[in-house]
Amino acid sequence: DQQVKQNSPSLSVQEGRISILNCDYTNSMFDYFLWYKKYPAEGPTFLISISSIKDKNEDGRFTVFLNKSAKHLSLHIVPSQPGDSAVYFCAAEGSQGNLIFGKGTKLSVKP
Amino acid sequence: ETGVTQTPRHLVMGMTNKKSLKCEQHLGHNAMYWYKQSAKKPLELMFVYNFKEQTENNSVPSRFSPECPNSSHLFLHLHTLQPEDSALYLCASSQDPPPRETQYFGPGTRLLVL
Repeated sequence: DQQVKQNSPSLSVQEGRISILNCDYTNSMFDYFLWYKKYPAEGPTFLISISSIKDKNEDGRFTVFLNKSAKHLSLHIVPSQPGDSAVYFCAAEGSQGNLIFGKGTKLSVKP
Repeated sequence: ETGVTQTPRHLVMGMTNKKSLKCEQHLGHNAMYWYKQSAKKPLELMFVYNFKEQTENNSVPSRFSPECPNSSHLFLHLHTLQPEDSALYLCASSQDPPPRETQYFGPGTRLLVL
């Protein structure tokens, strides 16, 4: 059973608007979460992370929110740009330091 | 060269072939990982090497054999693969122990098994 779930395989947003990508997890022991971005023919690149002691982390246009009681996190991109079009992976850090990934959400930002 | 590199970028092999994937990291990290990404599935961790010692093997079939000769190089030896092993194989590296640092990924090897 998947421990990290991204239930929306795709999302389409107009340039300049907000993109909200969602992620749910099942293991309450997870205490560190990351978002990765992946362009075609490239490996995932780290975007932003959040520790469970926080409920929000912001880096420029990217903000990650964590709701521990709901076991839910989300990535907000404001304003969205066409260059943000990519697949976004949510990941949780496992007990061995490994990353447990969701299936990804493909974001398309239209000009 | 900087970051994490992987060769080859694409590989087509028959089920009776033996091939190897190579990963090299230029970041001074001491932990390296192999991940598999199949279509419509999440990235799955296959192997973890920490200080050249294998610390995790997520029940990967023995037809996949990792080798980590030093902290900068990681290989994945392939033999008698099955068509369902066709996937993107990603290598990553990180610094361990903490302070916690993110994993840096290579571009991947796209493998097709015929």
